[in-house]
Amino acid sequence: GQQVMQIPQYQHVQEGEDFTTYCNSSTTLSNIQWYKQRPGGHPVFLIQLVKSGEVKKQKRLTFQFGEAKKNSSLHITATQTTDVGTYFCAGPDGGTSYGKLTFGQGTILTVHP
Amino acid sequence: DGGITQSPKYLFRKEGQNVTLSCEQNLNHDAMYWYRQDPGQGLRLIYYSQIVNDFQKGDIAEGYSVSREKKESFPLTVTSAQKNPTAFYLCASSTDGGYYGYTFGSGTRLTVV
Repeated sequence: GQQVMQIPQYQHVQEGEDFTTYCNSSTTLSNIQWYKQRPGGHPVFLIQLVKSGEVKKQKRLTFQFGEAKKNSSLHITATQTTDVGTYFCAGPDGGTSYGKLTFGQGTILTVHP
Repeated sequence: DGGITQSPKYLFRKEGQNVTLSCEQNLNHDAMYWYRQDPGQGLRLIYYSQIVNDFQKGDIAEGYSVSREKKESFPLTVTSAQKNPTAFYLCASSTDGGYYGYTFGSGTRLTVV
């Protein structure tokens, strides 16, 4: 079945440093979604990327979808303590439709003040 | 406000007992999902339902059962056949095939004692 891999599993940064997490799928994806889960909380939908090579920004967060639509990245500029949490990418199973998502293992981000 | 309600937040179960986790949504979403979260393993799909009276097994359905008698409700039963049930269980829902992302409930943390 489809596999979605994320690296790194853990990332510790000093406040103000940048952070990047990478997501790779074993199959071509019709779209990719990103979620954030705060410690003790539940995942919250951040964004969806659909087009090959697409780049979207949300304040200090930049999301990219690869040209082959098999990889994606999330970059946070100048991290803040509020960025702490686990970041997941997720792609639809089957690659060509929406619906059932396969999640990556997540990247746990710790920010030291 | 619309959302997903999971109850209880914490649940303790003795070995050999079945237990049912509640999930209710008032978002008028067609699809609902159950995920299990273990440390370092991301979110793994247990069961999902795209319409009332229909549901499909996910990647780790063994030892679990569900029902979808109403659009708003998707309860999950953890049976005694589940060998390692201690985990964080997340219910989610989506509309339009998940195009706008999943909405998650706040989760139920199940501990077998």
